[in-house]
Amino acid sequence: AQSVTQPDIHITVSEGASLELRCNYSYGATPYLFWYVQSPGQGLQLLLKYFSGDTLVQGIKGFEAEFKRSQSSFNLRKPSVHWSDAAEYFCAVGRGSGGGADGLTFGKGTHLIIQP
Amino acid sequence: NAGVTQTPKFQVLKTGQSMTLQCAQDMNHEYMSWYRQDPGMGLRLIHYSVGAGITDQGEVPNGYNVSRSTTEDFPLRLLSAAPSQTSVYFCASSYSGIAKNIQYFGAGTRLSVL
Repeated sequence: AQSVTQPDIHITVSEGASLELRCNYSYGATPYLFWYVQSPGQGLQLLLKYFSGDTLVQGIKGFEAEFKRSQSSFNLRKPSVHWSDAAEYFCAVGRGSGGGADGLTFGKGTHLIIQP
Repeated sequence: NAGVTQTPKFQVLKTGQSMTLQCAQDMNHEYMSWYRQDPGMGLRLIHYSVGAGITDQGEVPNGYNVSRSTTEDFPLRLLSAAPSQTSVYFCASSYSGIAKNIQYFGAGTRLSVL
């Protein structure tokens, strides 16, 4: 069965500093990978996704992620964080052949704190 | 365009009571899913549907029933609520087909079972 590990439960970053959130997955075939963001009390918003092709994918709000098959990783990065980036971030992998439409397996999340 | 609408937003139940969490989407999406979110656990898939009349179990289906009689609606039923079902529930919908796949999430239903 597929699984997703987000090793960091909490990360604190100063405003303007760079950010990297780690994600490792376990999946037997080519994975369909996603990053979502959840602001307090809100639903989930898709930041970016990887299905195939270029291993560096660009998303919304200035985020990018790099797929590394050899490391089974899909780390999220941002060159300069803003206070509004404070939120919970979830990495997810599609469960089956539907590209995630038939369900996602989520990591436990990383809580991002921005210091002024 | 309403997207994915979940009702109610908040609900308090007593152990043993039943209720239905409603989910409706107006995007003509074929796929719909239910997740629960618990602190420190991320989101876990309860049930999903790939079209009207077709449902399947996810990771944590016990204690929950679903049906999909129309494309638009995908209700989640708790037949006999238990305190372990206290959680935030999210519904999501998506097109089929990898090229068009983006999952849209509702705002969630916060359920407390006493």
